[in-house]
Amino acid sequence: IAGITQAPTSQILAAGRRMTLRCTQDMRHNAMYWYRQDLGLGLRLIHYSNTAGTTGKGEVPDGYSVSRANTDDFPLTLASAVPSQTSVYFCASSGGGETDTQYFGPGTRLTVL
Amino acid sequence: GQNIDQPTEMTATEGAIVQINCTYQTSGFNGLFWYQQHAGEAPTFLSYNVLDGLEEKGRFSSFLSRSKGYSYLLLKELQMKDSASYLCAVRDGDYKLSFGAGTTVTVRA
Repeated sequence: IAGITQAPTSQILAAGRRMTLRCTQDMRHNAMYWYRQDLGLGLRLIHYSNTAGTTGKGEVPDGYSVSRANTDDFPLTLASAVPSQTSVYFCASSGGGETDTQYFGPGTRLTVL
Repeated sequence: GQNIDQPTEMTATEGAIVQINCTYQTSGFNGLFWYQQHAGEAPTFLSYNVLDGLEEKGRFSSFLSRSKGYSYLLLKELQMKDSASYLCAVRDGDYKLSFGAGTTVTVRA
């Protein structure tokens, strides 16, 4: 069981290019999340999905889009990357229950030049 | 918006105890989480509090006071491998997690 996988591990991207970060979980969790982590700012929620077919905006959604066609996959797309989107991106999922704890993938380090 | 404060850095000696404080002001409250994050790695779940009081898990304990908007994470018998960032996160009324910036703990021999 892999848990949550993310791809790529790291990427250097020219400004203006389109990029999709992939996230897949095998825990059959209903909810999935995308965060970015920047030094001194902590993790900030970009978009989330409570269940397949639904998505919602987090704290910092501008410049990003997501889709949730099925339970396992939750890709994050940067339509036209800008340098301020340089960050480490973490995908997470949660399966409900008493604590509804979020579990994180290994992250994607993205640099936009 | 949400406001979650925790110290930026703490240093302690191997075998000692360290207490990481977290204060919060959020729109609604549905639980407080502590995560550990080693450099270059993903956050991993440590503890969860939703009621006032102390939750103990081995060398780690977490305390919550909802009326004071306050929590702490207590790390006992520190080991070198405990050197990491510790993230305080509050689940708000919309069931979304808001994170503090994290406290970097350095354990020295």
